Amino acid sequence: EIVLTQSPEFQSVTRNERVTITCRASQSIGNELHWYQQKPNRSPRVLIRYASQPFVGVPSRFRGNGYGTEFTLVINSLEVEDTATYYCHQSSSVPPTFGQGTRVEIK
Amino acid sequence: EVQLVESGGGSVEPGGSLKLSCATSGLATPIDTWISWVRQTPRKGLEWVALIKGNAHGGTTDYAAPMKGRFTISRDDSRGMVYLQMDSLKTEDTAVYYCVTGGCCSFDYWGHGVRVTVSS
Repeated sequence: EIVLTQSPEFQSVTRNERVTITCRASQSIGNELHWYQQKPNRSPRVLIRYASQPFVGVPSRFRGNGYGTEFTLVINSLEVEDTATYYCHQSSSVPPTFGQGTRVEIK
Repeated sequence: EVQLVESGGGSVEPGGSLKLSCATSGLATPIDTWISWVRQTPRKGLEWVALIKGNAHGGTTDYAAPMKGRFTISRDDSRGMVYLQMDSLKTEDTAVYYCVTGGCCSFDYWGHGVRVTVSS
């Protein structure tokens, strides 16, 4: 199965700062990489589909890019409500797999 | 508005069974929507469990290796329901189980989750 490795595992940043999260795949997955946000005690919700396509209603400060084995999620100008854990997920092959998550908090 | 509502969680002893249900509504093309179950634990994070394809893809199923032979996913499109029958439960199946749309691609919509505890 394809292993996704996220870095960093934890990030504490100041409001309005930029956050960059990386997701590396153990083999090439094209653009079949998706990003999710999970706030405490809530279900995950999709932010970015197919590496760079924002889902409906996602604020424009969330951007994704990448192809093959390396992907990034960028949060431009972090807001307080962005405190959450972020996960990547690949749909290139079965079983679908997730990264271990990156927890982002406001300093 | 797409809604997925899980039910059927609870506590069970190792070796026991539990059946989760997922009531779907608001899907654009319900019978063609792939549905998966994804579970979450503090130790392993998010883990895909099973999927059932839409009618256009024959409604076939697939399972994560640890669940094969123990879990069965099914759907009743006349009722908008998806089920996960879990047999021979193990302590490591303890998790929050989410019903989600997708399996071929991104998991676009998630239910609120239901807790399953396997313990003696």
